[in-house]
Amino acid sequence: KAGVTQTPRYLIKTRGQQVTLSCSPISGHRSVSWYQQTPGQGLQFLFEYFSETQRNKGNFPGRFSGRQFSNSRSEMNVSTLELGDSALYLCASSEAVGQNSPLHFGNGTRLTVT
Amino acid sequence: SQKIEQNSEALNIQEGKTATLTCNYTNYSPAYLQWYRQDPGRGPVFLLLIRENEKEKRKERLKVTFDTTLKQSLFHITASQPADSATYLCALGENAGNMLTFGGGTRLMVKP
Repeated sequence: KAGVTQTPRYLIKTRGQQVTLSCSPISGHRSVSWYQQTPGQGLQFLFEYFSETQRNKGNFPGRFSGRQFSNSRSEMNVSTLELGDSALYLCASSEAVGQNSPLHFGNGTRLTVT
Repeated sequence: SQKIEQNSEALNIQEGKTATLTCNYTNYSPAYLQWYRQDPGRGPVFLLLIRENEKEKRKERLKVTFDTTLKQSLFHITASQPADSATYLCALGENAGNMLTFGGGTRLMVKP
């Protein structure tokens, strides 16, 4: 099976702009989670979707949003970009939800805000 | 406040030795704990999962222990190889969802 695919791989945006990142999970996986990784804060949970419904949301401002489509593909959007939003954004999929479900990560989208 | 601590300094060991990485947590009641490996420029890769009612899990050269009294997990790599060099992340799961809280990671360097 193909792994988790994230596009684009790299992105450069200017402060105040908005950005949309895309994630295609492993075939058959219905749960998709998003994480932000920075050198200072490490990996931080953004949100989790299962069957098009947001199950959990991390402690991020409302500028960060996401959605999941009926084919389990997911997008996340960041509006009014700030310099501090520069990070590696990682998407992960899993077969189900719960303790028996390890996460399968993509290689991320590297977002640079100038 | 809630905290997950891993050795922030790199761990340097000689090839063939056992590497032991530590994950300590405070003010969490995890239902399970996972370990991931991350190489530069890539996403984390799942290694092992251990539940709160399990003491130890093994997979090939990997072993993880989970002590909910000490609030600590130890991750061991036996007969380490240079290819094991990477950053290792522990992550706690508290609820029935897939939301994980990650530690800062420990960078392991295995020298030939």
